[in-house]
Amino acid sequence: QQPVQSPQAVILREGEDAVINCSSSKALYSVHWYRQKHGEAPVFLMILLKGGEQKGHEKISASFNEKKQQSSLYLTASQLSYSGTYFCGTDSGGSNYKLTFGKGTLLTVNP
Amino acid sequence: NAGVTQTPKFRVLKTGQSMTLLCAQDMNHEYMYWYRQDPGMGLRLIHYSVGEGTTAKGEVPDGYNVSRLKKQNFLLGLESAAPSQTSVYFCASSRGTSVADTQYFGPGTRLTVL
Repeated sequence: QQPVQSPQAVILREGEDAVINCSSSKALYSVHWYRQKHGEAPVFLMILLKGGEQKGHEKISASFNEKKQQSSLYLTASQLSYSGTYFCGTDSGGSNYKLTFGKGTLLTVNP
Repeated sequence: NAGVTQTPKFRVLKTGQSMTLLCAQDMNHEYMYWYRQDPGMGLRLIHYSVGEGTTAKGEVPDGYNVSRLKKQNFLLGLESAAPSQTSVYFCASSRGTSVADTQYFGPGTRLTVL
């Protein structure tokens, strides 16, 4: 079952902040965040592991609430280069490591 | 170090034709994956492999077959293409050692079935 991402789309002006959420109905061992530019392959941003660890990458950070099976991606002081579709991929454990991806959140940053 | 490569980049088929998509990785990764991406649907797992000689079904395996004869290659086959298989296909690979392993994606193959 695919994790649910919200919002489906968001439009920002350069310098504004945004939060993208990812929720699962299953217990999660990890949440992976990717960004995809139009016509390109998804590119890895960060991984959140069970334990609620918060990871950061420049002005993009994320959190993982394992009790609620939710992860949030925080984009602060957005730049034009942040535009793209953001996907969360979730791993619910088991013997094989595979991800189930959400439907994505389209982020558009305008000047 | 090319990472993950896919061949071809574009392909147009007629209904009923067959074809094979090739994925190659040079990172010595154990795991390889095939996804399809349709508008508004995200990435859906078709088949995956946990090592040379092994394959397993993902979420949407019907109409596809795969083979992993060599560790570095993962082939996706369509025996009788249907318009519903029009999509962008991505291959990915990972080390396959833990839940923290990153998946690295290839550039994708855009397939149109007429």
